[in-house]
Amino acid sequence: DARVTQTPRHKVTEMGQEVTMRCQPILGHNTVFWYRQTMMQGLELLAYFRNRAPLDDSGMPKDRFSAEMPDATLATLKIQPSEPRDSAVYFCASGPGNPQETQYFGPGTRLLVL
Amino acid sequence: AQSVTQPDIHITVSEGASLELRCNYSYGATPYLFWYVQSPGQGLQLLLKYFSGDTLVQGIKGFEAEFKRSQSSFNLRKPSVHWSDAAEYFCAVGAWGAQKLVFGQGTRLTINP
Repeated sequence: DARVTQTPRHKVTEMGQEVTMRCQPILGHNTVFWYRQTMMQGLELLAYFRNRAPLDDSGMPKDRFSAEMPDATLATLKIQPSEPRDSAVYFCASGPGNPQETQYFGPGTRLLVL
Repeated sequence: AQSVTQPDIHITVSEGASLELRCNYSYGATPYLFWYVQSPGQGLQLLLKYFSGDTLVQGIKGFEAEFKRSQSSFNLRKPSVHWSDAAEYFCAVGAWGAQKLVFGQGTRLTINP
């Protein structure tokens, strides 16, 4: 049963520290999405990639967030420096590339910045 | 740009009762529409989707949804809920030719025994 995997599942860090979240999309999926979920804002799209190229990162704070796909099996989301307001659950999702196709979500990384 | 409204933040129903969760979208053309469910501490799982054809779509776990263009709605229904249906439900809309989805704020469903 193919799944999107995310590591770590939980992260507690102090303000100012760098945070790196990793995602392994489902093999064969060429589209990867990063979402952030908070109580106040709900589920927000931060960025997404197709064939490893960034297509839209307009939802991401550019000064501290960066997203990359070093290869087809790994997507990363980095926050440097982290701030308490970044505390949220970060989800990665992957899809086969057609807009009407399902996005498959990972279990999320729960981040707490103290 | 598309948008989604889920008017009900929290709904409580009794086990065995029927359920309808509301979703209204805004988009200038025929949208793609999705319902996802999120159990506590989990990622989102697709329940069903609509992109063309029959406006009544069937999904997993006994859920169905009906696309009503005249009302810009895509409400989710289930004739008889089970305690395991307690979760958060998200409606999402996508646009033709675009990958990104816009999600509603979610509706949290509580089931009374």
